[in-house]
Amino acid sequence: QQQVKQSPQSLIVQKGGISIINCAYENTAFDYFPWYQQFPGKGPALLIAIRPDVSEKKEGRFTISFNKSAKQFSLHIMDSQPGDSATYFCAAFRAFFGNEKLTFGTGTRLTIIP
Amino acid sequence: DAGVTQSPTHLIKTRGQHVTLRCSPISGHKSVSWYQQVLGQGPQFIFQYYEKEERGRGNFPDRFSARQFPNYSSELNVNALLLGDSALYLCASSLEGFRRATNEKLFFGSGTQLSVL
Repeated sequence: QQQVKQSPQSLIVQKGGISIINCAYENTAFDYFPWYQQFPGKGPALLIAIRPDVSEKKEGRFTISFNKSAKQFSLHIMDSQPGDSATYFCAAFRAFFGNEKLTFGTGTRLTIIP
Repeated sequence: DAGVTQSPTHLIKTRGQHVTLRCSPISGHKSVSWYQQVLGQGPQFIFQYYEKEERGRGNFPDRFSARQFPNYSSELNVNALLLGDSALYLCASSLEGFRRATNEKLFFGSGTQLSVL
């Protein structure tokens, strides 16, 4: 059962444009929603994260928008740069004793073209 | 300051063999988690250990086992390897387990690429 659905699978954006990646979750027990960036041959690196009591969080060019009622959240990359080309994963975390884990989406391969 | 280190970086095994993967967390981090990432998919949770105790287990068969040592390093063991076990195995560390739902960050290593032939 896929608990976190991510779209699109791949995305091509022109340099300077806005990249938008969307995720939807099913389990309302999730209480922490991070985004990870992964380059080839490397492990995922935490970009930005949000808790469900906040509707938006911004860090530099990266913004998470969170819609608790719709159970959806999205990553916006402003002024996208070639160095942003990577695979992005949304994730959701459930924190209670005995079962603590991140559930990842399927990933979005982002390519920024000049 | 060293990040999460994993060894080996690459490994080739044949079906039925056993494999041991190793992970050293960031200094001061007490929690280690293991994830399996099949090509083209997101990481899947296997285990979490905190203070040498198992805190979480994902939906993986009993062929998968792990342990954490007093120095907080960890091993992932997989017995009776199958072709489907071919994947990138990621180790992640954090200061504490997520039990208190603090704003913890997971720091991932670069992984061990396991190929089962």
